[in-house]
Amino acid sequence: QQQVKQSPQSLIVQKGGISIINCAYENTAFDYFPWYQQFPGKGPALLIAIRPDVSEKKEGRFTISFNKSAKQFSLHIMDSQPGDSATYFCAPTGGYQKVTFGTGTKLQVIP
Amino acid sequence: DGGITQSPKYLFRKEGQNVTLSCEQNLNHDAMYWYRQDPGQGLRLIYYSQIVNDFQKGDIAEGYSVSREKKESFPLTVTSAQKNPTAFYLCASSLASGWGDEQFFGPGTRLTVL
Repeated sequence: QQQVKQSPQSLIVQKGGISIINCAYENTAFDYFPWYQQFPGKGPALLIAIRPDVSEKKEGRFTISFNKSAKQFSLHIMDSQPGDSATYFCAPTGGYQKVTFGTGTKLQVIP
Repeated sequence: DGGITQSPKYLFRKEGQNVTLSCEQNLNHDAMYWYRQDPGQGLRLIYYSQIVNDFQKGDIAEGYSVSREKKESFPLTVTSAQKNPTAFYLCASSLASGWGDEQFFGPGTRLTVL
């Protein structure tokens, strides 16, 4: 079974601070590395994703850093805002490998 | 508006009853998925369909059944064989039939067994 390990389980950050969430995987066949954001009572939505041909991707305040040799990728949220308070999931996949979601990180940004 | 709709939003079931959750998409996506989410946990794959009239079991298919007779629709039946069905159920779709693509999620159905 594919292993995906997401950390931390929960995170409290001051407004304006940097939030960092990590995801480690085992399957080297993965070629799509997304982060999904989920608000309470809603379905998840894609936040940002990266392919293995680049090591970093930035969209506004959100950045994915990808380390292929370490089989890890991380989500960085710069200038964190209370509206970023949500649960974040990594879900590496690709090719013929079924997606496996991480267990989620509950982020709380306090004013 | 293009998107995925799920109904009902809330569903209550008595023990021993089968219930069917609806999922419809107008995104013209080939692939559709059903996930189960328990409190404080990640999403677990129940069933998926990469093309009409075909579907495969996911990681936790026992006690569930699906059909894919139309491209737009992928209903999930929770049978009485599912021992612990109380959960939040999410339907998703993706453009490509492979796995390396964005999944678009519906708003979810919260099922409670009384």
